[in-house]
Amino acid sequence: KAGVTQTPRYLIKTRGQQVTLSCSPISGHRSVSWYQQTPGQGLQFLFEYFSETQRNKGNFPGRFSGRQFSNSRSEMNVSTLELGDSALYLCASSPDGLGNQPQHFGDGTRLSIL
Amino acid sequence: AQSVSQHNHHVILSEAASLELGCNYSYGGTVNLFWYVQYPGQHLQLLLKYFSGDPLVKGIKGFEAEFIKSKFSFNLRKPSVQWSDTAEYFCAVTAANQAGTALIFGKGTTLSVSS
Repeated sequence: KAGVTQTPRYLIKTRGQQVTLSCSPISGHRSVSWYQQTPGQGLQFLFEYFSETQRNKGNFPGRFSGRQFSNSRSEMNVSTLELGDSALYLCASSPDGLGNQPQHFGDGTRLSIL
Repeated sequence: AQSVSQHNHHVILSEAASLELGCNYSYGGTVNLFWYVQYPGQHLQLLLKYFSGDPLVKGIKGFEAEFIKSKFSFNLRKPSVQWSDTAEYFCAVTAANQAGTALIFGKGTTLSVSS
């Protein structure tokens, strides 16, 4: 069974630009969550999607948004990039997004802002 | 607010030494608890999990963890570490029985094992 696939693996952008990251969950998984990982703040929850609906959102500004498609694939968008947005963005999937279902993580997209 | 605290930022051990990584959480309801591991260059992998029942849970590669509800703790242990255990370890908590619940992670503990 293929794991969680994130594309691209690396991105370099400049301040003010916007970026879109993609995530394909494990086949059959309908819940997709996004996390930001930085050396200073660690792993922080961005949002969770299930059946094309955002069910939960972390404490991030509105520049961070996402969506989910009918095939459960998800995209995350960050607009008006800031230096502090440099991070590893991780996507995780689980069957239904219930608390007792372990989340399976992808390799992440490393975003660098110049 | 939910939070997870990992006591050790960096632990250095020799092979065959015993390991215990501390984890305490703050949450007002029923929780599910996890330990994830991130080996160099690899993605986060589930090491073990606790949902209910026996508070002593066993995971992969000889790791185990004990849930002590009264202490809000979920410490990770391994009797004898190997060089291949060098990795970053994350404790995490979610609200039980809640759809769309987020994983709340600790800041992580880097384990370095020398051969």
